[in-house]
Amino acid sequence: ETGVTQTPRHLVMGMTNKKSLKCEQHLGHNAMYWYKQSAKKPLELMFVYSLEERVENNSVPSRFSPECPNSSHLFLHLHTLQPEDSALYLCASSQDKAPANYGYTFGSGTRLTVV
Amino acid sequence: AQTVTQSQPEMSVQEAETVTLSCTYDTSENNYYLFWYKQPPSRQMILVIRQEAYKQQNATENRFSVNFQKAAKSFSLKISDSQLGDTAMYFCAFTLNFGNEKLTFGTGTRLTIIP
Repeated sequence: ETGVTQTPRHLVMGMTNKKSLKCEQHLGHNAMYWYKQSAKKPLELMFVYSLEERVENNSVPSRFSPECPNSSHLFLHLHTLQPEDSALYLCASSQDKAPANYGYTFGSGTRLTVV
Repeated sequence: AQTVTQSQPEMSVQEAETVTLSCTYDTSENNYYLFWYKQPPSRQMILVIRQEAYKQQNATENRFSVNFQKAAKSFSLKISDSQLGDTAMYFCAFTLNFGNEKLTFGTGTRLTIIP
């Protein structure tokens, strides 16, 4: 068990669909993150939540909508995506917002394909 | 802003040999942490090793060690006695040691261990 669980593992959606990615952690961490991983690019930080409050949104298009109902769960709601949004979406958690001590704990990601 | 550069997109090495992955970073700060993460085909990012910038001694974790050259802003990863299970993407990451700083990643190096 990784400690951070992401579902679904794979997702194929049309550009007019609405879907959601789910992330769950039972490590007692109080910060959670969404990253986008595209080929040959550095991981791109999308959103940061600390104590269920969004503390950062890195200029992500509004077709991506995060939700953090409690410190253990994080969602990424998707609607009217574009083909260039196809990527691996990684969720991570950490204790506090400063990952200096032990970095992040990551999930296995959701491979998203937009057709 | 901090940047992390991994100049080797792909590498391969024979099993049991030693391989070194390179990473350079750019920052004007003095207090920070560096990490190497491994991402195997299962996709979960796993922390391999961590280095605190104020420590001169290079970090070591079993077969994994780093060569940290602070003045040169270089942070290479050496894998000794490489094993087939070491086949993965390897990401170098950086974070400052204060406030709500986040991990900044490089583009990764795909390492293949050849039987």
